[in-house]
Amino acid sequence: GAVVSQHPSRVICKSGTSVKIECRSLDFQATTMFWYRQFPKQSLMLMATSNEGSKATYEQGVEKDKFLINHASLTLSTLTVTSAHPEDSSFYICSALDRTSAAKNIQYFGAGTRLSVL
Amino acid sequence: AQSVSQHNHHVILSEAASLELGCNYSYGGTVNLFWYVQYPGQHLQLLLKYFSGDPLVKGIKGFEAEFIKSKFSFNLRKPSVQWSDTAEYFCAVNNQAGTALIFGKGTTLSVSS
Repeated sequence: GAVVSQHPSRVICKSGTSVKIECRSLDFQATTMFWYRQFPKQSLMLMATSNEGSKATYEQGVEKDKFLINHASLTLSTLTVTSAHPEDSSFYICSALDRTSAAKNIQYFGAGTRLSVL
Repeated sequence: AQSVSQHNHHVILSEAASLELGCNYSYGGTVNLFWYVQYPGQHLQLLLKYFSGDPLVKGIKGFEAEFIKSKFSFNLRKPSVQWSDTAEYFCAVNNQAGTALIFGKGTTLSVSS
């Protein structure tokens, strides 16, 4: 099956620094990528949707200037948490679709990134 | 508002016990329903899905789920769990192919051998 690689799996940073998380589709071209966030004991919440050839669409309440999403190519999307603060500590998960999987309504997920901001 | 509710936060079972994890959704119109599993340190994997047709769907690893429209439910079942089923289980829904999913909070299943 399709594989999505997410890196790093865990990152610890100081408050005020920026952190970049990468999401790569290894064997398919991702026409759509989603970024989710999960707080402890909570559900995964959609942060933004990134479609091929267009800017990311952010969900209500998600600061686009704080969470920069770049769908750099059809196999790579990055999420940069700028000027991270302790409240940004969370588990971030990406998922990806190509045209075939989109039609089949099947998302492929990365393994997630645990961000801890000190 | 659209939402997915998973009733059990943490379920502890012995091997060979039967499993049923509850999932209810609040979603207008046509729904597509999913169960995902996440083993420790791994990515979310699709267990099974329901789009239309037979409301009893069978997935991988011996799991099945039943869509009951009148109850807005999509409960996950397995007749006999194994230690290797220890994982986090997520119910999810969307209403259009290729769109983002709305997830429940997840249920942690711990199976003791």
